[in-house]
Amino acid sequence: EPEVTQTPSHQVTQMGQEVILRCVPISNHLYFYWYRQILGQKVEFLVSFYNNEISEKSEIFDDQFSVERPDGSNFTLKIRSTKLEDSAMYFCASSDFSASYNEQFFGPGTRLTVL
Amino acid sequence: KNEVEQSPQNLTAQEGEFITINCSYSVGISALHWLQQHPGGGIVSLFMLSSGKKKHGRLIATINIQEKHSSLHITASHPRDSAVYICAVSPPITQGGSEKLVFGKGTKLTVNP
Repeated sequence: EPEVTQTPSHQVTQMGQEVILRCVPISNHLYFYWYRQILGQKVEFLVSFYNNEISEKSEIFDDQFSVERPDGSNFTLKIRSTKLEDSAMYFCASSDFSASYNEQFFGPGTRLTVL
Repeated sequence: KNEVEQSPQNLTAQEGEFITINCSYSVGISALHWLQQHPGGGIVSLFMLSSGKKKHGRLIATINIQEKHSSLHITASHPRDSAVYICAVSPPITQGGSEKLVFGKGTKLTVNP
């Protein structure tokens, strides 16, 4: 069964460093998402991506964040200068249509720890 | 802005019991999703529904659009059902076509043998 994959599973970084979280969505899907979950809190939407551009982003997704689909398979989230409060589990998801019409498939997550 | 509330926050049951988890939301939606989050953190989609009822194995999800309420039921619960169950909604397409999900805080279910 096709699945969304994410690498790395755990990333430890120093405050101020850049990190890139990688995702490989399901191959025929068109909509891509990043969410994050701070420990003990609910999952929060960061950004959605469709047709090679951002379709919506949340207030959390400020200038420190960027997304890219560098090739036909990868979907990346870059945090330019990490802060302590960026420590969270980051989930990538994909769907073959918008969440209003179809389920989203989630990756296993990347646990980011900023020291 | 849609607020998603779940109850209870924590639920402990004995194996075999019938489980109900509730979700209510504040404004209109186009779809509601029930998700399961395992102790390791991974999230699995269980149901997506916009009306009525869906059943998959021992899981049943219902939604009442007028009352802005959904329930997830687990029949004959088993210790392997222990997980966090999350309700999430997606806004109507008429409000700008957002694809994002808005999540509840989740219900932690523990089923004891």
